[in-house]
Amino acid sequence: EIVLTQSPGTLSLSPGESATLSCRASQSVSNNYLAWYQQKPGQTPRLLIYGASNRATGIPDRFSGSGSGTDFTLTISRLEPEDFAVYYCQQYGSSPTWTFGQGTKMEIK
Amino acid sequence: QVQLQESGPGLVKPSETLSLTCAVSGYSISSGYYWGWVRQPPGKGLEWIGSIYQSGSTYYNPSLQSRVSISVDTSKNQFSLNLSSVTAADTAVYYCARHIYTWDYWGQGTLVTVSS
Repeated sequence: EIVLTQSPGTLSLSPGESATLSCRASQSVSNNYLAWYQQKPGQTPRLLIYGASNRATGIPDRFSGSGSGTDFTLTISRLEPEDFAVYYCQQYGSSPTWTFGQGTKMEIK
Repeated sequence: QVQLQESGPGLVKPSETLSLTCAVSGYSISSGYYWGWVRQPPGKGLEWIGSIYQSGSTYYNPSLQSRVSISVDTSKNQFSLNLSSVTAADTAVYYCARHIYTWDYWGQGTLVTVSS
C-alpha cells in the first residue's frame, strides 16, 4: 500500500506570493497517476491537477503540477485570496486502490 | 450534470452498523466508472473507504476491509455503504463520489456521529 506524505503541514504566505507544496510517495506511483485537490471549509474537494501535471477543466494556469516516480510538487503562483485552503494529493495504484495524502493547509500570513 | 446525494442516519451507536446510500442522477451507474466512498473526520484529512465498479467488483481500503461492504442497486441508480462495529473513531463526514483515477463528482457529504 502506497503512503503519501505531504509537506509542509501548514504554509503561511501572503497574496501575490508563490507556493510550493510537496507530496512524497512511499513507492513509485505507476503511470504518474497523481492528482491534486483543493478543499475549502464546508466544501467538497475540487480536482486541480491530474496525471501529475495536467490541469483540470477550468483551473487557472497559476496552478501547475510536476514530478514523477515518488516526488511530486504543486506550485501556485501569484496567490489570490481564494487560494487559501487545504490541498491534498491523491494516487491511484494497482489492485486497484486510491490513497490521499494528509493535506497541506495554506493560510494567509 | 452528474449529481450524487448521500442519505442515512446521522447518529449511530457504538458497535452497530453504519449504513449510507448514495443516489446518483444525471448518469447511469451501469454505464461505467467506479463509485466510491471517502470519509473525513472533523478537522482531519480524506480517507478512501472503498469503491465498486459498474460490474459489481468491490475494492476496499485494507485498513477497513474487515468491516466494510459496498453494494450497488442499478435499478435505483444508487450504491450503498455498510460499516460494521463502529466506534467513535468512525465519526466523520462521509462522501460518495464518482471516479476512475481521479474523483470528479462528489456528493455534498453527510456527517455521521458515533455516540451512545
